[in-house]
Amino acid sequence: GQQLNQSPQSMFIQEGEDVSMNCTSSSIFNTWLWYKQDPGEGPVLLIALYKAGELTSNGRLTAQFGITRKDSFLNISASIPSDVGIYFCAGFTGTASKLTFGTGTRLQVTL
Amino acid sequence: NAGVTQTPKFQVLKTGQSMTLQCAQDMNHEYMSWYRQDPGMGLRLIHYSVGAGITDQGEVPNGYNVSRSTTEDFPLRLLSAAPSQTSVYFCASSDWSSSYNEQFFGPGTRLTVL
Repeated sequence: GQQLNQSPQSMFIQEGEDVSMNCTSSSIFNTWLWYKQDPGEGPVLLIALYKAGELTSNGRLTAQFGITRKDSFLNISASIPSDVGIYFCAGFTGTASKLTFGTGTRLQVTL
Repeated sequence: NAGVTQTPKFQVLKTGQSMTLQCAQDMNHEYMSWYRQDPGMGLRLIHYSVGAGITDQGEVPNGYNVSRSTTEDFPLRLLSAAPSQTSVYFCASSDWSSSYNEQFFGPGTRLTVL
């Protein structure tokens, strides 16, 4: 099946630093989504991207839909302690009505 | 709105036992789905439904059954639990306005099979 590779697998950063993570696929997706999961909770949608090249922001978060439609990027500016969690990318082909998730990037923020 | 609710939150089963994980949503969403989450593997789709009376298999359907008799409910049944089914299970829902993309997740059920 389709696979989404996320990198890095984990990050340890200091409060106030900027964060970048990405997601790549061997297949083309029509939609890219970014979710955040807090410990013991379900994933929460952060940003949805619907067009190749699209750049979308949600507060301190900015995500981009890659031009090739095989990748996506998420940036977090000026990180704060509540940014701690696991960030998942997900791709949607539309035709099969199925979301494919990446393996996640675990973010730790130190004071 | 309560959103997506799941029960139970925790469950321990013995190998061979059966059980049903409950999922309900009060957003009138057409699309509902079940995922399992295992360490280092992200979320994998088990089964999904695009409306009452319609279900289809996801990536890892073996060992699980689903039915969708109402828009609100989408239970997941384990007929004969196996240790390999130890995982955290998430239910999600979405509607056609986002082309089913923007899925809302429940809080999860943590299942251990001994």
